[in-house]
Amino acid sequence: QIQLVQSGPEVKKPGESVKISCKASGYTFTQAGMQWLKQAQGKSLKWMGWINTNTGKTTYAADFTGRFVFSLETSASTAYLQITNLKNEDMATYFCARWGFDYWGQGVMVTVSS
Amino acid sequence: DVLMTQTPVSLPVSLGGQVSISCRSSQSLVHSDGNTYLHWYLQKPGQSPQLLIYRVSNRFSGVPDRFSGSGSGTDFTLKISRVEPEDLGVYYCLQSTHFPPTFGSGTKLEIK
Repeated sequence: QIQLVQSGPEVKKPGESVKISCKASGYTFTQAGMQWLKQAQGKSLKWMGWINTNTGKTTYAADFTGRFVFSLETSASTAYLQITNLKNEDMATYFCARWGFDYWGQGVMVTVSS
Repeated sequence: DVLMTQTPVSLPVSLGGQVSISCRSSQSLVHSDGNTYLHWYLQKPGQSPQLLIYRVSNRFSGVPDRFSGSGSGTDFTLKISRVEPEDLGVYYCLQSTHFPPTFGSGTKLEIK
């Protein structure tokens, strides 16, 4: 069965970096892109962008340029989201989802606190 | 960006009852390929969103037929009949016709 399993919760200080993983199984990793989404506590979902798992080409939403980087480890069927120079407003749960938004990871809660 | 307006915000329901959730888009969601990329999700507390309906009216694998989707253009509806306890949570619509994909603000289904 198709599964996306994300890494565990993170607690960081402002200015630090975090790298979240999303390991796919049950399908051919390179045949479907990976989307990344953000959900602040009690809020709706916001699309951050996606990475083409075949070519590595990335597309970022306007609000997620500069400090946000999508990457791949294709041999491990894993996608990554790195956020640098963390700010208070980055505190949220981050989800990966397969290209058609059909399967989602369980989410990673990132806490940013001094 | 396409604005997705979901109503109501909160929806009290009796178990066994029927409810409808509305999702309106600020522009037509008909893609140039002829498809309409409007989807519905349920997010239970502490979980990730789960796909219920894709492309307006197609039930995803394993979704009971108590869930049905309809609509066209800019106006869409999710109907839930014979509501069960596991249906409670927040429902979201998502459009992926236009870049960037955008979500509705959510409808919380709760027990009356």
